[in-house]
Amino acid sequence: SQTIHQWPATLVQPVGSPLSLECTVEGTSNPNLYWYRQAAGRGLQLLFYSVGIGQISSEVPQNLSASRPQDRQFILSSKKLLLSDSGFYLCAWSDRGFSPLHFGNGTRLTVT
Amino acid sequence: GIQVEQSPPDLILQEGANSTLRCNFSDSVNNLQWFHQNPWGQLINLFYIPSGTKQNGRLSATTVATERYSLLYISSSQTTDSGVYFCAVSRYNNNDMRFGAGTRLTVKP
Repeated sequence: SQTIHQWPATLVQPVGSPLSLECTVEGTSNPNLYWYRQAAGRGLQLLFYSVGIGQISSEVPQNLSASRPQDRQFILSSKKLLLSDSGFYLCAWSDRGFSPLHFGNGTRLTVT
Repeated sequence: GIQVEQSPPDLILQEGANSTLRCNFSDSVNNLQWFHQNPWGQLINLFYIPSGTKQNGRLSATTVATERYSLLYISSSQTTDSGVYFCAVSRYNNNDMRFGAGTRLTVKP
């Protein structure tokens, strides 16, 4: 069966510091991969998605970037964190086409 | 883009009660999914249901695509059902999913 791992679970970083969040998927090949952010409140906002190695699409302009160095690895990065980057970051995967979306457990990021 | 509205925004139930959550969307969709976010933040996919009816234990969902709404039914609610329920839709695939604001459900013992 497929599993998705995301780490770390929580992170406290000072303003201006770099960020690297990692996500890996097991048990599937060629998945679509996604990074979402959930601000305080409820809504989920799609940040990036990837349909293959090295292929990244960005949904919103921001202080963040994403990379997919391997088929089942997705990384969210920032060179310099802002206070507004605080939030709950969720990685997700799905098969191609119309298929269910599955989320990792998330990383709660606090920028101080 | 497609607008997604969920109602009610908040719902408080006594354990054992039934409930219906609604998701309205503003345009045709080919992809509709329901999720449950537990109090620890974990998001679980409940249903992939672009049309028709599905059931999984005490939960069932119905999507009437032609009328642009979906319903999630929870029967005999339990305290573990507490959390936020999200509806998400897209016209094509998961690359343009739009989430509703969610319904926060609290089930009291």
